[in-house]
Amino acid sequence: LAKTTQPISMDSYEGQEVNITCSHNNIATNDYITWYQQFPSQGPRFIIQGYKTKVTNEVASLFIPADRKSSTLSLPRVSLSDTAVYYCLVGERGAAGNKLTFGGGTRVLVKP
Amino acid sequence: DTEVTQTPKHLVMGMTNKKSLKCEQHMGHRAMYWYKQKAKKPPELMFVYSYEKLSINESVPSRFSPECPNSSLLNLHLHALQPEDSALYLCASAPLAGGHNEQFFGPGTRLTVL
Repeated sequence: LAKTTQPISMDSYEGQEVNITCSHNNIATNDYITWYQQFPSQGPRFIIQGYKTKVTNEVASLFIPADRKSSTLSLPRVSLSDTAVYYCLVGERGAAGNKLTFGGGTRVLVKP
Repeated sequence: DTEVTQTPKHLVMGMTNKKSLKCEQHMGHRAMYWYKQKAKKPPELMFVYSYEKLSINESVPSRFSPECPNSSLLNLHLHALQPEDSALYLCASAPLAGGHNEQFFGPGTRLTVL
């Protein structure tokens, strides 16, 4: 499974855009990039998934360059409630009983 | 119903006790998972069930014994645990056919071993 590297922590302010970059140099051809969000004492929650270029949903955008060796999660106009740990994961999509290997995660603190 | 429920929310047990953690989902998912999460660390996969059969065991000590009695339920039986087993235990489920591989996590059981 591809290893991921993310910054340990990031601080931001309400209303700002937060961009978290994840490195995955040994990503395989069949791998997708997935991001999860986790609040304290809760289970992780799926945010977004992509394979290449750009994916956008109601919560976030995911930017993936052509070489796919990194990806950037973009959270537009964050609020205090976006304070959480964000995990980048890389793995095959649709694999039966697939494993999820969480990297270290990025602790995002949104300040007023 | 799009949630995974776990009981109990909190559990305190001695090293000689036997207890069980329970997980339930009614989304028709045929993959179910147990994770262990220590404070300020990422979740670590313990077990994966596919179609009610154990498909992955991440070299977990035998004092943890998983069970999947049907497609909606997942148990984790605990026996002779050590204090270092204290952690948040997370259950998750996912559809097996196609889709985003999105795993739906429960809120977890906070386990303390004395």
